[in-house]
Amino acid sequence: EVQLVESGGGLVQPGRSLRLSCTASGFTFGDDAMNWVRQAPGKGLEWVGFVRRKVSGGTTEYAASVKGRFSISINDSKTIAYLQMNSLKTEDTGVYYCTRWTGGASYSSNWGQGTLVTVSS
Amino acid sequence: DIQMTQSPSTLSASVGDRVTITCRASQSIGDALAWYQQRPGKAPKLLIFQASNLESGVPSRFSGSGSGTEFTLSVTSLQPDDFATYYCQQYYSYNSFGQGTNLEIK
Repeated sequence: EVQLVESGGGLVQPGRSLRLSCTASGFTFGDDAMNWVRQAPGKGLEWVGFVRRKVSGGTTEYAASVKGRFSISINDSKTIAYLQMNSLKTEDTGVYYCTRWTGGASYSSNWGQGTLVTVSS
Repeated sequence: DIQMTQSPSTLSASVGDRVTITCRASQSIGDALAWYQQRPGKAPKLLIFQASNLESGVPSRFSGSGSGTEFTLSVTSLQPDDFATYYCQQYYSYNSFGQGTNLEIK
């Protein structure tokens, strides 16, 4: 069974940093792209960014709203995907979901339960 | 960036009804469209991919159609569990989501 478990959320002041983790199991990590989506309180879904699968180079892409501040990386041996968030803004507040893109597709076939990030002074 | 627009934003229906949600893309995306269902406090769940392909385990009362810029999600014979928020997502160029359709009980 595929499982994605996010952790690392919490309350952080504007301008500070936070790193989220997504621990994956139940599939061959590295064979699939790993993706992050967020949802502000009471709002819709917003794509954050993704890391391509190894066979596609393992490179990353980001939404314009987070480019230059957020970065995604993976630890193959621990099967963890990370979302490093720097220079946080109040508008980054929300639930952050880790998702899996199966094979070469770019839709999310599996989702974690989400972790809440609150950016506030 | 590709903008996705869903309509309606809110839809009121009764158990047993048939409903349709529309999603329009700001440019042609072929059939690179997925639909998700999100219940309150839960993560979204994939229903449909490639515009019309039903994800494994999803009831056959859900169906998707369309290509290019206009897509629809239909649900026949609504069940109590179906009252939730639905999102379309394009994956032709990275990802972007529609704003969501809240399907509520009439």
